[in-house]
Amino acid sequence: QKEVEQDPGPLSVPEGAIVSLNCTYSNSAFQYFMWYRQYSRKGPELLMYTYSSGNKEDGRFTAQVDKSSKYISLFIRDSQPSDSATYLCAMLIRTSYDKVIFGPGTSLSVIP
Amino acid sequence: EAQVTQNPRYLITVTGKKLTVTCSQNMNHEYMSWYRQDPGLGLRQIYYSMNVEVTDKGDVPEGYKVSRKEKRNFPLILESPSPNQTSLYFCASSLYSMTQKAGGLIDTQYFGPGTRLTVL
Repeated sequence: QKEVEQDPGPLSVPEGAIVSLNCTYSNSAFQYFMWYRQYSRKGPELLMYTYSSGNKEDGRFTAQVDKSSKYISLFIRDSQPSDSATYLCAMLIRTSYDKVIFGPGTSLSVIP
Repeated sequence: EAQVTQNPRYLITVTGKKLTVTCSQNMNHEYMSWYRQDPGLGLRQIYYSMNVEVTDKGDVPEGYKVSRKEKRNFPLILESPSPNQTSLYFCASSLYSMTQKAGGLIDTQYFGPGTRLTVL
């Protein structure tokens, strides 16, 4: 079993839709839960992160962590064509170094 | 402009021909990393460096070398590339290690634009 699982999609939604992106993980020791956005031919950029459980909201984006279910989600409200990208979840644990485990990413297209 | 640059962006080479991918950042960051990205596997860390002359292995270091002689540069060296090293490579940097900050905060890691390497 992979440490982090993510549905690769592709996911296609109409502009204005609410998008739900999800990841599951197996290592209960993960401490930080991150979402990266990666546009085509670009490097990933950190979108938002949470430490431990709970929700975090930033504009149209909401990140949720459910540690009891080992499940994290990213919601995008009022999706825009500019949101079209690949979204990577990532989990971080501090060992002897910052060990970051990335999911494979979900490709999202927002259709005008 | 604050950025991480990588060169070359695209490279096709043959098995066994030594190559170096350069990475440079202009943000005076101490922490730098190399990742490879493969379909279905996500990004995996190859090597990281806490500061000048301090480097260590990540999750998939076999077949790679790095050096950190200057703070701004962190080249990735493939002494004898093989076809299984065909991948998309990213360099990243952050001011300190991501978990250096207290209170559940993390130091943002900035990624370069990537280098697509094909080994024939």
